[in-house]
Amino acid sequence: KAGVTQTPRYLIKTRGQQVTLSCSPISGHRSVSWYQQTPGQGLQFLFEYFSETQRNKGNFPGRFSGRQFSNSRSEMNVSTLELGDSALYLCASSLGGDSSEKLFFGSGTQLSVL
Amino acid sequence: AQSVTQLDSHVSVSEGTPVLLRCNYSSSYSPSLFWYVQHPNKGLQLLLKYTSAATLVKGINGFEAEFKKSETSFHLTKPSAHMSDAAEYFCVVISSGGYNKLIFGAGTRLAVHP
Repeated sequence: KAGVTQTPRYLIKTRGQQVTLSCSPISGHRSVSWYQQTPGQGLQFLFEYFSETQRNKGNFPGRFSGRQFSNSRSEMNVSTLELGDSALYLCASSLGGDSSEKLFFGSGTQLSVL
Repeated sequence: AQSVTQLDSHVSVSEGTPVLLRCNYSSSYSPSLFWYVQHPNKGLQLLLKYTSAATLVKGINGFEAEFKKSETSFHLTKPSAHMSDAAEYFCVVISSGGYNKLIFGAGTRLAVHP
């Protein structure tokens, strides 16, 4: 069974640009959540989607948005990039029926903002 | 609000000696707690989880953790460290908001020396 796939693996952008990251969950998983990992702030929850609906959202500005498609694939978008958005963005998937169930993480997309 | 505090940012052990990674939690109700591991350039992998069943939880790769309500602790242990255990370990609690909104500790980097 294929794992969680995140593309691209690495991304370099400049301030003010926007970026879209993609996440393909494990087949059959309907929940996709996104996390930002930085050396200073650690791992922080961005948002979670289930059946194309955002069920939960972290404390990030509106420049961070996401969506989920009918096949459960998810994208997150960051507009008007700032230097502080440089981070590893991790996606996780799960079946979605229980908040304490196991999450499966992808290897992440490393975003560098110059 | 839920939170976790990892008491050591770095732990160094010799191969074959015991491992102890410490975590204290704060929660207004009985929490769901996890330990995740992150190897370099890899995503996060679940080691074990506590969800109010047995207080001693066994995980993968010989790790286990004990939930102690009186001490609000959930320390991770392993009797004998292996070189492959070198990684970053995260203690995690589920936010009261649920829906896979995980709150991560700052992480403990484990070094294993020959």
